[in-house]
Amino acid sequence: TQLLEQSPQFLSIQEGENLTVYCNSSSVFSSLQWYRQEPGEGPVLLVTVVTGGEVKKLKRLTFQFGDARKDSSLHITAAQPGDTGLYLCADYGGSNYKLTFGKGTLLTVNP
Amino acid sequence: KAGVTQTPRYLIKTRGQQVTLSCSPISGHRSVSWYQQTPGQGLQFLFEYFSETQRNKGNFPGRFSGRQFSNSRSEMNVSTLELGDSALYLCASSLWQGGAGELFFGEGSRLTVL
Repeated sequence: TQLLEQSPQFLSIQEGENLTVYCNSSSVFSSLQWYRQEPGEGPVLLVTVVTGGEVKKLKRLTFQFGDARKDSSLHITAAQPGDTGLYLCADYGGSNYKLTFGKGTLLTVNP
Repeated sequence: KAGVTQTPRYLIKTRGQQVTLSCSPISGHRSVSWYQQTPGQGLQFLFEYFSETQRNKGNFPGRFSGRQFSNSRSEMNVSTLELGDSALYLCASSLWQGGAGELFFGEGSRLTVL
């Protein structure tokens, strides 16, 4: 059974700071997805990464996929209060196509 | 286009009761998946339905069941509720079986068991 570990579990920063959160898998990723879940909402897909070493940018968010496809990071530049939320990584590991989630990083950006 | 709609948004039940939650997927989406979210365990996969058939199931007891109708709407049922069933239940829809591609989540149904 694939396990996804995310760190840190909690992160509280001031507006304007930079931050990085991590996702590590017990097995090779097949198709890693990053989601953000805001309070009272369901998760919303931010990006999907497939290729080892791949880097994707979404405005102030940079997603990196490790060369060995067992780790990924999300870097946010100049964080804003609107970035507050639970950041989740998820993967379609194995042959049964169910999405396995990490427990997430709860980010709070204070104004 | 309209998103995934889950009803009810909040509900309170007592131990031993049963509950039914409803999910209306995005129009045209034929796959509906259900997840349980708790602070301790995070998001855990319950089951997935595609074209009215359960295609995949997570590691939950038989008290958790579901079904999908011909219009792709889905319901999940939890019988003989336990305190540990208190959670946010999220439904997600997708165009393809197995959720390949993007999952679109609803806002969830928050169940409290007293």
